[in-house]
Amino acid sequence: AQTVTQSQPEMSVQEAETVTLSCTYDTSESDYYLFWYKQPPSRQMILVIRQEAYKQQNATENRFSVNFQKAAKSFSLKISDSQLGDAAMYFCARQGAQKLVFGQGTRLTINP
Amino acid sequence: DTGVSQDPRHKITKRGQNVTFRCDPISEHNRLYWYRQTLGQGPEFLTYFQNEAQLEKSRLLSDRFSAERPKGSFSTLEIQRTEQGDSAMYLCASSLTSATEAFFGQGTRLTVV
Repeated sequence: AQTVTQSQPEMSVQEAETVTLSCTYDTSESDYYLFWYKQPPSRQMILVIRQEAYKQQNATENRFSVNFQKAAKSFSLKISDSQLGDAAMYFCARQGAQKLVFGQGTRLTINP
Repeated sequence: DTGVSQDPRHKITKRGQNVTFRCDPISEHNRLYWYRQTLGQGPEFLTYFQNEAQLEKSRLLSDRFSAERPKGSFSTLEIQRTEQGDSAMYLCASSLTSATEAFFGQGTRLTVV
C-alpha cells in the first residue's frame, strides 16, 4: 500500500520557538511530489509547502522549510518563529501519477 | 470567486435517504478529487477524475456511492440509502495537473440522523 504516516498526533510549541513535524511515506514511484497542508479550525485546507522528489534541494517558504530524505522516504516540516496563527492540523501528502494521499495529521498547538 | 466551491455546506438527512453533493472546481483544472474526513482524521480518498474520466475509486467506497463529472467541469457525489456511518465532512479538491497543488473547497458536512 502506498501510505503516508504521521507519527505525532499532537505537538505543541512555545510562541517564537521552532517545531518539527514528522512524515514518512511509502511509494514505488520514482517521480512524485510531496506536500504539507494546513487545516485551521475553519477546516479549509491550504497548501504550506511543496517538494518535487527529483529535486535534492529542500523547499523553503518563509518560516516553513522541509527536510526531504528521499532514500529514507522522510519528509519533515520545520516551522521557525512559531506564531499563534500557525495553530492548526497539519497534513503531509504524497502525489504520484495517481491519487493524492494524506497522512492522519498532526495537531499543532502554539503556547503564548 | 475563482476557488473551489461546494454545495451545500451542510446537509442533515434521515437514514435511508439519498443525498447529492456538488463541487465546482477551479476553471481549467483537469483533476478533481473527492475525500471524506471525520473529526481529527486525515482526508480519506474516495475517488478522482482526470477531466471527465473517473480514474480510481477507493475500495472503501461501497456501491451506494457514485460520482460523476460530466464534460469535465463540475462533479457530483451521490450517496444512496445513507447510513449513520456516512456522517462526515466531504471535501472536494482540484488541481491543474498531478504535479501541482490541490485547492480545496470548504467541504459539505453531512449528518445522518
